Amino acid sequence: AQTVTQSQPEMSVQEAETVTLSCTYDTSESDYYLFWYKQPPSRQMILVIRQEAYKQQNATENRFSVNFQKAAKSFSLKISDSQLGDAAMYFCALYSGGGADGLTFGKGTHLIIQP
Amino acid sequence: DTGVSQDPRHKITKRGQNVTFRCDPISEHNRLYWYRQTLGQGPEFLTYFQNEAQLEKSRLLSDRFSAERPKGSFSTLEIQRTEQGDSAMYLCASRPGGAYEQYFGPGTRLTVT
Repeated sequence: AQTVTQSQPEMSVQEAETVTLSCTYDTSESDYYLFWYKQPPSRQMILVIRQEAYKQQNATENRFSVNFQKAAKSFSLKISDSQLGDAAMYFCALYSGGGADGLTFGKGTHLIIQP
Repeated sequence: DTGVSQDPRHKITKRGQNVTFRCDPISEHNRLYWYRQTLGQGPEFLTYFQNEAQLEKSRLLSDRFSAERPKGSFSTLEIQRTEQGDSAMYLCASRPGGAYEQYFGPGTRLTVT
């Protein structure tokens, strides 16, 4: 069985500062994909960034970047220059196939942006 | 490019009633997923379709739950004899073959009284 663990229920950061959200995972598959999704209050889940396990280079999307440590099974999200609109629940998710096509999600981290 | 849509957005029902939700995926996406999300938790996988074929069902999908995707386009999720424990957000997602990120709809919030 695959698992995703987010150990930070809530994080707070000052506007314009940088924050890092943690995620660890476990899977027996060698080929898999990792995602960060953002879920604003009462709004739908939005894909923030994706990382293919076979790629050594960390993914980057504008102010969002990941630190993917395959051996440690760690996949953290860094948000630079935090903005008020970044306030949301952030979920780490794993796709590893192997007969299980659904995503496995962590419990989420509630990100608060202090103005 | 329209996204994934779900209907209704909110549903309040009494225990024991049947409810049905609809999901319209992004038009070129052949894979469609249903998830359940309870308060303070991440989404949990329920079931998955590739075109009209239901290929995988979670242990969470009790025999009171049934899902269909009759023509490989929209999908319905029916819950029979609802229980208070069924109260949750039901999310639908879709993706095209060859890509692994899923695109989510706004969800249907079910409240069973």
